[in-house]
Amino acid sequence: NAGVTQTPKFRILKIGQSMTLQCTQDMNHNYMYWYRQDPGMGLKLIYYSVGAGITDKGEVPNGYNVSRSTTEDFPLRLELAAPSQTSVYFCASSYRVITGELFFGEGSRLTVL
Amino acid sequence: KNEVEQSPQNLTAQEGEFITINCSYSVGISALHWLQQHPGGGIVSLFMLSSGKKKHGRLIATINIQEKHSSLHITASHPRDSAVYICAVRSDGGSQGNLIFGKGTKLSVKP
Repeated sequence: NAGVTQTPKFRILKIGQSMTLQCTQDMNHNYMYWYRQDPGMGLKLIYYSVGAGITDKGEVPNGYNVSRSTTEDFPLRLELAAPSQTSVYFCASSYRVITGELFFGEGSRLTVL
Repeated sequence: KNEVEQSPQNLTAQEGEFITINCSYSVGISALHWLQQHPGGGIVSLFMLSSGKKKHGRLIATINIQEKHSSLHITASHPRDSAVYICAVRSDGGSQGNLIFGKGTKLSVKP
């Protein structure tokens, strides 16, 4: 049982490049989330999904896109990378939205130069 | 003012000490989470509370809904407890997806 798997763990991008952070969970969770963590700040929600085919914006969605074609996968796409997107990104999932325990991936450290 | 405030921001303890980390919030909530972020960066869920008290091993979490306050206690602390502890609340007025996170308390336990 792998839980939540994120790739890549580290990536350096040049300004204007695009990339996709992959997230897969094998727990059959309907709810999946993408967060970013900046130094000295709490995690901020980028996008979330309540099930396959359904996504919604979080607190800081600008510059990102997501899709949820299957229950297992929730990739995060960065278009036209900017230095402000330098951060650590975490994917998470839960079985229930209100009372469900959160399961996090290991994180992806992204640097935009 | 942040909706979730944690104190202290940093905490250094000697092995064996009893540790308390506090979380205060300003919104109505349906649940509160305590998370642990290891020095390597991974995050694990410790507790989810909506009322009362929960215990797991040396860790105890309490919540007082009326006072909008939660505490995480660690008994007989050990160097392996060194980590950042994060409080997060699910606002009962917020969207389905959103948790509001505190900035974390960095704990260092010295042998």
